[in-house]
Amino acid sequence: SQQGEEDPQALSIQEGENATMNCSYKTSINNLQWYRQNSGRGLVHLILIRSNEREKHSGRLRVTLDTSKKSSSLLITASRAADTASYFCATDKIRGTYKYIFGTGTRLKVLA
Amino acid sequence: EAQVTQNPRYLITVTGKKLTVTCSQNMNHEYMSWYRQDPGLGLRQIYYSMNVEVTDKGDVPEGYKVSRKEKRNFPLILESPSPNQTSLYFCASSFTGAANYGYTFGSGTRLTVV
Repeated sequence: SQQGEEDPQALSIQEGENATMNCSYKTSINNLQWYRQNSGRGLVHLILIRSNEREKHSGRLRVTLDTSKKSSSLLITASRAADTASYFCATDKIRGTYKYIFGTGTRLKVLA
Repeated sequence: EAQVTQNPRYLITVTGKKLTVTCSQNMNHEYMSWYRQDPGLGLRQIYYSMNVEVTDKGDVPEGYKVSRKEKRNFPLILESPSPNQTSLYFCASSFTGAANYGYTFGSGTRLTVV
């Protein structure tokens, strides 16, 4: 599997439900970032969590990081149709460098 | 408005005709990077730059060149484009070190090489 691989690849939920996406990586990292991409457009930074942090919140977003399992999860609570997008995690492929690597993303569809 | 500006947004060109995609940021970011996005492959890093005159290869640098003569600009050059370089390209920038709060991405350049 690739560094920064998201799971599931696709997710479809009803508006108001929570959406959880996972990201696994292979090497030690300085930080892990989550991004959103609306179809064909530029990525928008959502949240950055550093390797010494375990949980971070931003509005309806909650990110956790488990460095022992080399994994992170992104939770979107009370989802809205506007949350429909692809979500990517990104990690520094080689710790301390800026060779960042993105996964292939989770496609989230929120049904109204 | 803080932003990364890429031009052009769309480009159709022929094999072998040199082209440049420009990227400019107005946030005084040290770090800039180019990615290409292809279906099923996600985003792959082409080149990145830590600061003026400092560039390094990403995962897929073959067929591309970059330069960083000024802090704000980071053009991507395809000396002899080929059809396998048809892709969606993104430029991104950020502060470095502890000030890194994530990338700001441009809106993308959709390149078609025929």
